[in-house]
Amino acid sequence: GENVEQHPSTLSVQEGDSAVIKCTYSDSASNYFPWYKQELGKGPQLIIDIRSNVGEKKDQRIAVTLNKTAKHFSLHITETQPEDSAVYFCAASEGSARQLTFGSGTQLTVLP
Amino acid sequence: ETGVTQTPRHLVMGMTNKKSLKCEQHLGHNAMYWYKQSAKKPLELMFVYNFKEQTENNSVPSRFSPECPNSSHLFLHLHTLQPEDSALYLCASSPLTGYNEQFFGPGTRLTVL
Repeated sequence: GENVEQHPSTLSVQEGDSAVIKCTYSDSASNYFPWYKQELGKGPQLIIDIRSNVGEKKDQRIAVTLNKTAKHFSLHITETQPEDSAVYFCAASEGSARQLTFGSGTQLTVLP
Repeated sequence: ETGVTQTPRHLVMGMTNKKSLKCEQHLGHNAMYWYKQSAKKPLELMFVYNFKEQTENNSVPSRFSPECPNSSHLFLHLHTLQPEDSALYLCASSPLTGYNEQFFGPGTRLTVL
């Protein structure tokens, strides 16, 4: 089955700096890679996703890159703000499968 | 209401109690999921339902019993739980076509005494 590893487990950045979170996956059949943000006391919220037919996707301050050859994908947050502080999860899925395999999460803290 | 809702938000129960968690989705999706989230662990998929039919059971103990009466509602019936079952239980839904975009509810924080 699929195995997703996520690094780092904790990340602290100064407000305004960039943050990068990286994930690797094992199943070359995986073709869908979502990222979730989970704030304290809430469920995970889908913030961006990428399909295997593209290498990069951007939405305002958030971007995701995918390297299918190396089987890794990354979340990039620019101009970080205190409200970006949360736990971020990556996940991977093979398109027709109904299972998402999640990484172990990254606690991002944006320091004012 | 919009999105995925879960009730109750918090639940404390003894090991001999029977309780149920409820999930409702207002997104028109046909797949629903139960996940367990424990501290410092990845989300663990418990059950998957497609069009009310259970398609995945990830070796979940029988003290957890899911029920899906229709595509909008999902229940998790709990009985004779153990303290190690204390966790955040998350419900999610997704469309059955296209990619597996799952949308989560806020979760039920369960404490087993």
